[in-house]
Amino acid sequence: QKEVEQDPGPLSVPEGAIVSLNCTYSNSAFQYFMWYRQYSRKGPELLMYTYSSGNKEDGRFTAQVDKSSKYISLFIRDSQPSDSATYLCAMSADGNQFYFGTGTSLTVIP
Amino acid sequence: DGGITQSPKYLFRKEGQNVTLSCEQNLNHDAMYWYRQDPGQGLRLIYYSQIVNDFQKGDIAEGYSVSREKKESFPLTVTSAQKNPTAFYLCASSLNPGGRLNEQFFGPGTRLTVL
Repeated sequence: QKEVEQDPGPLSVPEGAIVSLNCTYSNSAFQYFMWYRQYSRKGPELLMYTYSSGNKEDGRFTAQVDKSSKYISLFIRDSQPSDSATYLCAMSADGNQFYFGTGTSLTVIP
Repeated sequence: DGGITQSPKYLFRKEGQNVTLSCEQNLNHDAMYWYRQDPGQGLRLIYYSQIVNDFQKGDIAEGYSVSREKKESFPLTVTSAQKNPTAFYLCASSLNPGGRLNEQFFGPGTRLTVL
């Protein structure tokens, strides 16, 4: 069983839609959670960072962590064509070695 | 400009040759990491280093070697022992590994192709 599971998609939505991206994990010791956005042939760009459970909001992005269900989510409101990218989740127990999901490919159609 | 640089952007290697990928950061981060990204497999950790002159193997270290002689530099050598080296290689760094300020920031990547 993989440490982190993420649906690869592809996911296609119309501009302005709310996007929900999710990851599940098996290690209950994970307490650091990150979401990255990666454009084609580029390095991942850090979007959101969350420690332990709860919600965090930054502009159009909201990250949620539910440790009881071992489930994390990233919501994108008012999605834009420029949000079209692959979204990676990452998590860690010790803050040093992180485990990454395979990424979800998102296309926002104008 | 603060950040992480990787060079070259594209690299071609013949089978049987060793090749070294460069990673430099001017963020004054303590820790540096090397990942490999393959389609459908996500990022896999090759090596990481928390301090100068010290490094640890990640999940897929076989066929790779690293050095950390300076805080700002963490080169990765892909040796001829690596059976399937064609991939996208990503370097990352973090300020305070093991603590709360442990977000990892990535460089632009090097795409290695073995001919």
